[in-house]
Amino acid sequence: KNEVEQSPQNLTAQEGEFITINCSYSVGISALHWLQQHPGGGIVSLFMLSSGKKKHGRLIATINIQEKHSSLHITASHPRDSAVYICAVRSGSGGGADGLTFGKGTHLIIQP
Amino acid sequence: DAGVTQSPTHLIKTRGQQVTLRCSPKSGHDTVSWYQQALGQGPQFIFQYYEEEERQRGNFPDRFSGHQFPNYSSELNVNALLLGDSALYLCASNHSHLEVWQYFGPGTRLTVT
Repeated sequence: KNEVEQSPQNLTAQEGEFITINCSYSVGISALHWLQQHPGGGIVSLFMLSSGKKKHGRLIATINIQEKHSSLHITASHPRDSAVYICAVRSGSGGGADGLTFGKGTHLIIQP
Repeated sequence: DAGVTQSPTHLIKTRGQQVTLRCSPKSGHDTVSWYQQALGQGPQFIFQYYEEEERQRGNFPDRFSGHQFPNYSSELNVNALLLGDSALYLCASNHSHLEVWQYFGPGTRLTVT
């Protein structure tokens, strides 16, 4: 069973700061997801990674397969980025999506 | 194009009762996964349905069961509710052969009293 650890659990920063959220996992994976969850529960998929780096707007996600580690970065953070960021991994290698294993999430607050 | 929809949005039940939650996948998706998210925790995988069969299951008791219909929509049933079943229940869908990017619904908040 894959164990997914995220750090930090809580993060409060000022608007404009560069944010880094880390995720590590214990067993080899086929894909890693970064998700954003706002109050009320709705989850939005931000990235799906199996290697390297992806960028979307102010968000950057990286993964190091050898080190079993991924990071989510937010540049020029804004109060609307305040949310819970969740790392989830897929361990299966078959077609389709096997169930994801989730971290507990990082609660991010960006203050104006 | 509607995304993943779930109903109801909120539900209050009493211990021992049974509950049914519903999910309609995103158009074109044939695979539905269900997750339970307790307050302050990350989601936990319950099970996944594909071609109207349970394809994979997480570490949940048999009180949790599901169904997938020919139109790919799905139901999650929980029998003999316990207080600990209070959680946000999330449904996610994807197309089994095209992508593994899961689209999540807004969730159903279940409170067991």
